[in-house]
Amino acid sequence: SQTIHQWPATLVQPVGSPLSLECTVEGTSNPNLYWYRQAAGRGLQLLFYSVGIGQISSEVPQNLSASRPQDRQFILSSKKLLLSDSGFYLCAWSSAGDGGYTFGSGTRLTVV
Amino acid sequence: RKEVEQDPGPFNVPEGATVAFNCTYSNSASQSFFWYRQDCRKEPKLLMSVYSSGNEDGRFTAQLNRASQYISLLIRDSKLSDSATYLCVPGRRALTFGSGTRLQVQP
Repeated sequence: SQTIHQWPATLVQPVGSPLSLECTVEGTSNPNLYWYRQAAGRGLQLLFYSVGIGQISSEVPQNLSASRPQDRQFILSSKKLLLSDSGFYLCAWSSAGDGGYTFGSGTRLTVV
Repeated sequence: RKEVEQDPGPFNVPEGATVAFNCTYSNSASQSFFWYRQDCRKEPKLLMSVYSSGNEDGRFTAQLNRASQYISLLIRDSKLSDSATYLCVPGRRALTFGSGTRLQVQP
């Protein structure tokens, strides 16, 4: 069966520090991968999605970046965090077909 | 018009009540639709998929109205455990989620 792993679960980082969040998927090949951010009490905001290794589409201009070095690995990064980067970051995957989307358990990031 | 719009609620209903949420979408080309449930401080989890006119799973019924471009979620016999935020998303790729409708079922 397919599983998705996301870590860490919580993170407190100072303003200006770097960020690296990792997401891996098991049990499937060539998944579509997504990074979302959810601010407190708000909806999901799509940040990046990827349909293959090295293929990254950005939905929102910001100081974040994403990379997909391997088929089932998706990384969200920042060189310098801002206070406004605080939020709940969710990784998700879907098959290339028309199925639903499965989310990781999320990382709650607080920038202080 | 936003790609996806949902009434944020909250919907406060007593146990046993029937409640319905609507989700309107702007992309008429959307072929598949999904309802997700999100508990507080947790990730969204797939509740139902809708590929044609509708889908039913126990107390939950999802219906699609292509002419008016909305999908609905009906919950019958509400339970306390149904309290959550319900998100809708149209389309093959989860590019746009609705901001969710919060449901609070009260004893």
